[in-house]
Amino acid sequence: AQSVTQPDIHITVSEGASLELRCNYSYGATPYLFWYVQSPGQGLQLLLKYFSGDTLVQGIKGFEAEFKRSQSSFNLRKPSVHWSDAAEYFCAVDEDSGGGADGLTFGKGTHLIIQP
Amino acid sequence: KAGVTQTPRYLIKTRGQQVTLSCSPISGHRSVSWYQQTPGQGLQFLFEYFSETQRNKGNFPGRFSGRQFSNSRSEMNVSTLELGDSALYLCASSLAPGQGQGYTFGSGTRLTVV
Repeated sequence: AQSVTQPDIHITVSEGASLELRCNYSYGATPYLFWYVQSPGQGLQLLLKYFSGDTLVQGIKGFEAEFKRSQSSFNLRKPSVHWSDAAEYFCAVDEDSGGGADGLTFGKGTHLIIQP
Repeated sequence: KAGVTQTPRYLIKTRGQQVTLSCSPISGHRSVSWYQQTPGQGLQFLFEYFSETQRNKGNFPGRFSGRQFSNSRSEMNVSTLELGDSALYLCASSLAPGQGQGYTFGSGTRLTVV
């Protein structure tokens, strides 16, 4: 079964500093990969996605992610964080190629804290 | 363009009761998925519907069920509620499954079972 690992439960970053959130997945082929963000009491907002092509993908709010097949990783980055980036971040995998699968598989999430 | 709408936003039920949650997808989206989010288990897939048919179901007991209507709106039902069913229930929609487009999520329904 596929799985997603986000090794960092909490990360604290100073405002204006760079950010990298780690995500590793376990799956035989290349699945569809996503990063979502969740603010307290809210649903999930899609930041970016990868399903083929260029391994560096750009998303909303200045985020980008790089897919590395050899490391089974899909790390999220931002060059300079803002206080409004404080939230929970989820990496997700979708192995569905049209034949049916068990929906999105999510990591446990990384809670991002921004220090002033 | 309206997003995914979930109603109600908050719900308090008593153990043993049943509950129905509603989800209206983005216009034109025909796939609707449901997820349960709890602090202990995180985000877990419940089921997915496409063209009024359940495509797949996650590892949840039969007390959890759902359906999709011809206008793509979906409902999920939980019967004989247990305290452990307290969670945020999220609905997500996409144009169609298996195309890697990603899913748009609603704000969720917060269910508290007492």
